[in-house]
Parts: sequence; C-alpha cells; structure tokens
Amino acid sequence: QKEVEQDPGPLSVPEGAIVSLNCTYSNSAFQYFMWYRQYSRKGPELLMYTYSSGNKEDGRFTAQVDKSSKYISLFIRDSQPSDSATYLCAMSGGNQFYFGTGTSLTVIP
Amino acid sequence: ETGVTQTPRHLVMGMTNKKSLKCEQHLGHNAMYWYKQSAKKPLELMFVYSLEERVENNSVPSRFSPECPNSSHLFLHLHTLQPEDSALYLCASSVQRWEVTQYFGPGTRLLVL
Repeated sequence: QKEVEQDPGPLSVPEGAIVSLNCTYSNSAFQYFMWYRQYSRKGPELLMYTYSSGNKEDGRFTAQVDKSSKYISLFIRDSQPSDSATYLCAMSGGNQFYFGTGTSLTVIP
Repeated sequence: ETGVTQTPRHLVMGMTNKKSLKCEQHLGHNAMYWYKQSAKKPLELMFVYSLEERVENNSVPSRFSPECPNSSHLFLHLHTLQPEDSALYLCASSVQRWEVTQYFGPGTRLLVL
C-alpha cells in the first residue's frame, strides 16, 4: 500500500469554479500535511500546511485534514487561469517526507 | 540571484558518462535536500544534508553520489546511470532539517540514453 494516494487527474474547470483536490494516506503517525503547487518547468512551491487535524484558510485556498479518515483536501475558491498547475500533497512524520503523485489542474478562462 | 538555483537545467548523458548537478541556495538555510521526480510517481527524497553533514540516504544506488562542501552548495555526482534514472532532479533547502517549509529550485531535467 502506498503511503500517500492522490488522483492524478487531469482536472479541468471553468474560471470561477470551486476546485477540490484530495489525498488519502495510510500512516497515522503523520503530523504535518502540506500542499505544494508546481507550475510547468518550475520546482514545487509550498502553498500552505496544517498541523494535525482541522482547517486552515489563506485567501482563496482552504486546507482540511481529517485524521480519523486519513483524508486531506485543498479547496480553491473562485479559481483563476493562473491556478493552472500541478498540485502535490505531502505529509511528514518520523523524519521523512511523503508526497502524492500530483493532480494536474487546468482552469479555463 | 535569489532563492534556490540549479545548473544545468537540462542534461543528456550516456550510460558511461560522468556528470554533476549543482545546487546553490541564497537563503542562509542550514539544510539541503535532493529529490527525484519521475513521471506519474511521487517525489522521492534521495538525500538530506544538515550543516554539511549527510543525515539521510534513502537507499539510493551508489551511482548517485552527493557532496555538500558548505551550507550553500550541494552537488549530485552521477556515473554509469541507467535509462530509468531519467527524471527531474530537484534541490530544496530549509532553515533546519525536516522543516515543513522547504524552498525548491527549478530542477535539472536529466535524460539518460
């Protein structure tokens, strides 16, 4: 079983839509849950992270962690063409980082 | 230069070649990382350096040899690679090791023929 599972997409939505990106994981020891955005030909860029369970909001982005279900989500409100990128979830625990495969998102003007 | 830079951005090499990837961070961080990103696979952590000392080596084949001469520079020496080693190699840094907030470079796209 993979440590982290992420639907690779691709996901295509119209501008202004609400986007939901999700990951599941198997290791209950994970404490930090991160979301990275990676534009084409660039390295990943940390969008936001959450410690343990709960929600965190930053502008149009909201991260949710449900440790009981081992499920994390990233919501993007009022999506913009500039949000078109690959989104990677990641988790850390025990001095190790585990990443999802990434979900490719295209926001159509 | 700001952030994390990597050179070269693209590299094509034969299986018998020897080449090196270079990473430089201008952030004053103490930890640096090498990652491998292959198509349709998760980002894989290869090596972690903290204050120039290697603290993690995730069962990476010996044909990959890292070097960290100081806290700002990180190299990945490559020799006798295989075609399956073709990937994007990313360097990252953070203030201390294992910190959640890592800053990535743009990567070196490697093709092994």
